[in-house]
Amino acid sequence: QVQLQGSGPGLVKPSGTLSLTCDVSGGSFSTSNWWTWVRQPPGEGLEWIGEIHHSGSTNYNPSLKSRVTMSLDKSKNQFSLKLNSVTAADTAVYYCARVGETGYWFDPWGRGTLVTVSS
Amino acid sequence: EIVLTQSPATLSLSPGERVTLSCRASQSVYSHVVWYQQKPGQAPRLLIYDASNRATGIPARFSGSGSGTDFTLTISSLEPEDFAVYYCLQRSNWPSTFGQGTRLEIK
Repeated sequence: QVQLQGSGPGLVKPSGTLSLTCDVSGGSFSTSNWWTWVRQPPGEGLEWIGEIHHSGSTNYNPSLKSRVTMSLDKSKNQFSLKLNSVTAADTAVYYCARVGETGYWFDPWGRGTLVTVSS
Repeated sequence: EIVLTQSPATLSLSPGERVTLSCRASQSVYSHVVWYQQKPGQAPRLLIYDASNRATGIPARFSGSGSGTDFTLTISSLEPEDFAVYYCLQRSNWPSTFGQGTRLEIK
């Protein structure tokens, strides 16, 4: 059974770059899957950030596209998120997840990583 | 961008009651709506996919229906563990969007 675990610094300075990694275990990473990132500001709802295919193709939310980069490392069974020029508005719990077989849902999800943007 | 509007924002109910949550899309998403349950400090849990299919391990008291722009999630008899926030998601049109959530509270 596939499990995801996100990790990365919990504190990032304003104007800096947020960098997170998601480790995938318990299943094959190098299959025809999309992998995604979703974030949730404290006390608020969910926002889709973007997704990356095992081929390296990406799709980003237009609201974040200018600041987001996703990549993957098949040798390590992991994919990554970078968000640059962060502000306090980027403070959130960041979740990684797998996109479902038909592409219409996200499951399973990692536990989430709280990233705070503060000096 | 498709906007998903969930209603109501908050519901206060008692265990054993039946509840129906609504998710309305700003344009047709066919049957491609998903429902999640989220409890404090946890990741969202997949309940329903393709509007009406229960995910693996989800109790039968959860059911979903709808197509086009109007979707509902029904819990036939609330259990104490069902009090949480519920979100709908669409990936029919890019970009993917979530509803703002419905909070189910114990009365």
